[in-house]
Amino acid sequence: DGGITQSPKYLFRKEGQNVTLSCEQNLNHDAMYWYRQDPGQGLRLIYYSQIVNDFQKGDIAEGYSVSREKKESFPLTVTSAQKNPTAFYLCASSSIERSPPNEQFFGPGTRLTVL
Amino acid sequence: GDSVTQMEGPVTLSEEAFLTINCTYTATGYPSLFWYVQYPGEGLQLLLKATKADDKGSNKGFEATYRKETTSFHLEKGSVQVSDSAVYFCANQFYFGTGTSLTVIP
Repeated sequence: DGGITQSPKYLFRKEGQNVTLSCEQNLNHDAMYWYRQDPGQGLRLIYYSQIVNDFQKGDIAEGYSVSREKKESFPLTVTSAQKNPTAFYLCASSSIERSPPNEQFFGPGTRLTVL
Repeated sequence: GDSVTQMEGPVTLSEEAFLTINCTYTATGYPSLFWYVQYPGEGLQLLLKATKADDKGSNKGFEATYRKETTSFHLEKGSVQVSDSAVYFCANQFYFGTGTSLTVIP
């Protein structure tokens, strides 16, 4: 089955530690995205990538970093510089073959709790 | 810049009631518009979309019409079911509304 996988589903870290969230897709999509979801605030874009080895900052990129070494993978690192990292993180992907842009396909999410 | 504003929740309805969730957008140009649904503890799933003005997206009894003149994309369903209980998000590519939680009671 094609889809997006995120691991782990729940993640606990101590304050001051960096942590990397995994996102893999087998949909052959060019574009991938990371969002952060907080109660009452909807989804906010952290980073996105439309091609391997290239990515752009979203609205709340500070304290986060990404890489896109393979088309299928777009890991997100939450660094110790992120002031309030506890949140639900969603990865998504989409095809960019057509204009206007297509819908995004979402993974199941990773809930990060920093203690 | 681009943004999406949707009706605040939570919304509680009885089964078979009519549902409307309002959504308005600001954008440069004419973006595609989307409604996504999220069930507890899961990621979002596409519910419906519209790619140009006057398009109507529909799926599972839900409908939304892309209104350029009012910059709106309101979600409607004529008769909700308990299984429709979820959080609904209006979106414009990268920009998502805050979500509207719907609870349908038998």
